[in-house]
Amino acid sequence: TQLLEQSPQFLSIQEGENLTVYCNSSSVFSSLQWYRQEPGEGPVLLVTVVTGGEVKKLKRLTFQFGDARKDSSLHITAAQPGDTGLYLCAGEANSGYALNFGKGTSLLVTP
Amino acid sequence: DTGVSQDPRHKITKRGQNVTFRCDPISEHNRLYWYRQTLGQGPEFLTYFQNEAQLEKSRLLSDRFSAERPKGSFSTLEIQRTEQGDSAMYLCASSSVTGLSSYEQYFGPGTRLTVT
Repeated sequence: TQLLEQSPQFLSIQEGENLTVYCNSSSVFSSLQWYRQEPGEGPVLLVTVVTGGEVKKLKRLTFQFGDARKDSSLHITAAQPGDTGLYLCAGEANSGYALNFGKGTSLLVTP
Repeated sequence: DTGVSQDPRHKITKRGQNVTFRCDPISEHNRLYWYRQTLGQGPEFLTYFQNEAQLEKSRLLSDRFSAERPKGSFSTLEIQRTEQGDSAMYLCASSSVTGLSSYEQYFGPGTRLTVT
């Protein structure tokens, strides 16, 4: 099992603030996916990064895959209460196989 | 809605009973995955199928667990002689091995199992 460490574990901020969450591993992944999960629901795919150094933007969310494909970050600009949720990163050693998940970062954005 | 569906959404059972969950993947997806998620943890891989063939099983999948995908479409996950430690959210995901997005897994809403 290739371990993914996410930090911080919990984050509570006010609306309008910026934040970055991190996903680190000592292993190389062929791809890395970010999901957002709400209580009692399944994870919802936000983005997939494949190429080392890749940066993808999804509205106010910016995702980066490390050059060595071992780590990733998620930056949220001007957070909104609707961004509240559990953010999970998941790495795939080989395409189409099992995902290894981190424990997630629980984000709370208050008005 | 053509997403992944799971049934039931919630299941409460007594210790020692058998339970079965169903997952219907996205129709054109040929890979189907089962994961288990406990409180405060990310999902943990249990098993996956390509079409009807079960290709990989995690060590988490004890002999009380069995999964099937008889016609390469929907899948069932059965837990026999449930234990309180089986209480968790059971998640199903599907993906397609063809095309550029073969690594993207799409999850269903999950089945929350509570063993009393």
